[in-house]
Amino acid sequence: DIQMTQSPSSLSASVGDRVTITCRASQSITNYLNWYQQKPGKAPKLLIYTASSLQSGVPSRFSGSGSGTDFTLTISSLQPEDFATYYCQQSYSTPFTFGPGTKVDIK
Amino acid sequence: QVQLQESGPGLVKPSQTLSLTCTVSGGSISSGSYYWSWIRQPAGKGLEWIGRIYTSGSTMYNPSLKSRVSISVDTSKNQFSLKLSSVTAADTAVYYCATEDIYGGGRSDYWGQGTQVTVSS
Repeated sequence: DIQMTQSPSSLSASVGDRVTITCRASQSITNYLNWYQQKPGKAPKLLIYTASSLQSGVPSRFSGSGSGTDFTLTISSLQPEDFATYYCQQSYSTPFTFGPGTKVDIK
Repeated sequence: QVQLQESGPGLVKPSQTLSLTCTVSGGSISSGSYYWSWIRQPAGKGLEWIGRIYTSGSTMYNPSLKSRVSISVDTSKNQFSLKLSSVTAADTAVYYCATEDIYGGGRSDYWGQGTQVTVSS
């Protein structure tokens, strides 16, 4: 199985801050990397697919980059509704695997 | 727009079989554009991919669960189902059904709301 790691595991930030979350795969997954946002009691919501493609309806303050083993999710200006947990997922090979999550909360 | 809804018992006894169904609306399960998958999340923990099925009935399972899991599809009802046998407390989780876009890099753009399953006597 491909192992996914994320850093940091949690962060505190203020509205308006630029936030960067890193995801690393245990082997190359080319660009088969997706990012999800999850709020308490809700299903994950797709934000970014194939590393850098913005899902329809997702605000442009979200962006993704990277290829191979190292990837980044950036929120350019954190908004109140962005406080949530973020997961990366590799869809390069089954079993698809998720990172452990990064919780973004209010400073 | 595709919508997914999980259904099934919320409480299962240890050693028994967990059975859940996902009903698809707003699109046909036979469309050929998606794999239909199951993902679970224990309380306060991360997400685990359980497996998926194609409209043809072809399946892929997580090796960690492969000996206990079965996913099937009923195209006439626009549903797919999950069975997990010999459950223990470790199988207590929120279970989600979701799509996997075959032509979109495997992304899961549609999810059900999730259903809590507790394994307890």
